[in-house]
Amino acid sequence: NAGVTQTPKFQVLKTGQSMTLQCAQDMNHNSMYWYRQDPGMGLRLIYYSASEGTTDKGEVPNGYNVSRLNKREFSLRLESAAPSQTSVYFCASIRPLTGTGYSPLHFGNGTRLTVT
Amino acid sequence: GNSVTQMEGPVTLSEEAFLTINCTYTATGYPSLFWYVQYPGEGLQLLLKATKADDKGSNKGFEATYRKETTSFHLEKGSVQVSDSAVYFCALSAPFSNTGNQFYFGTGTSLTVIP
Repeated sequence: NAGVTQTPKFQVLKTGQSMTLQCAQDMNHNSMYWYRQDPGMGLRLIYYSASEGTTDKGEVPNGYNVSRLNKREFSLRLESAAPSQTSVYFCASIRPLTGTGYSPLHFGNGTRLTVT
Repeated sequence: GNSVTQMEGPVTLSEEAFLTINCTYTATGYPSLFWYVQYPGEGLQLLLKATKADDKGSNKGFEATYRKETTSFHLEKGSVQVSDSAVYFCALSAPFSNTGNQFYFGTGTSLTVIP
């Protein structure tokens, strides 16, 4: 089925380790986003990519880097993981706007990351 | 700036009870408004949306009306079911700019429906 695919689903890291969260969408969407979800704080935007070749910081970018590899893929990298980065990470994408107005985000199922 | 404030939970209701989850927003320009639902272990799914004032979004028995005068988008359902147990997020989409859409989410309201 078409949608947003995130890998891995679960990950445990030790403080200081690095890892890359992968995200791919097959809906030909232009814009892609990375959010983190923490209890009582809702979703907070880490980085986004309005289109292939561009990336911009969101609300909480510190400690993260991103790569928009092509139109389909948008990865999130933690260079040196910290316990404060324990969270659930969601990738999302959105189709190009049309004259009928705005479009909703389509989300992946998340990556549950624990940093010890 | 743009922000969303929604009713804090958790909310526990008996099956067939009436549900209201309050959501108010602050926005520059003319945003679109959304309700998303998250079931355990899953990502967020769009439940309904409204793109302009006085629009009513509806889906699966849920409704919400875009009220510009009160800057609100409250979610309602007349008779909840156990299967409606989930976390509900109110969100707005800021007007399109050359950097793309921006979305702002509330903190989520957890709903549990008991038989």
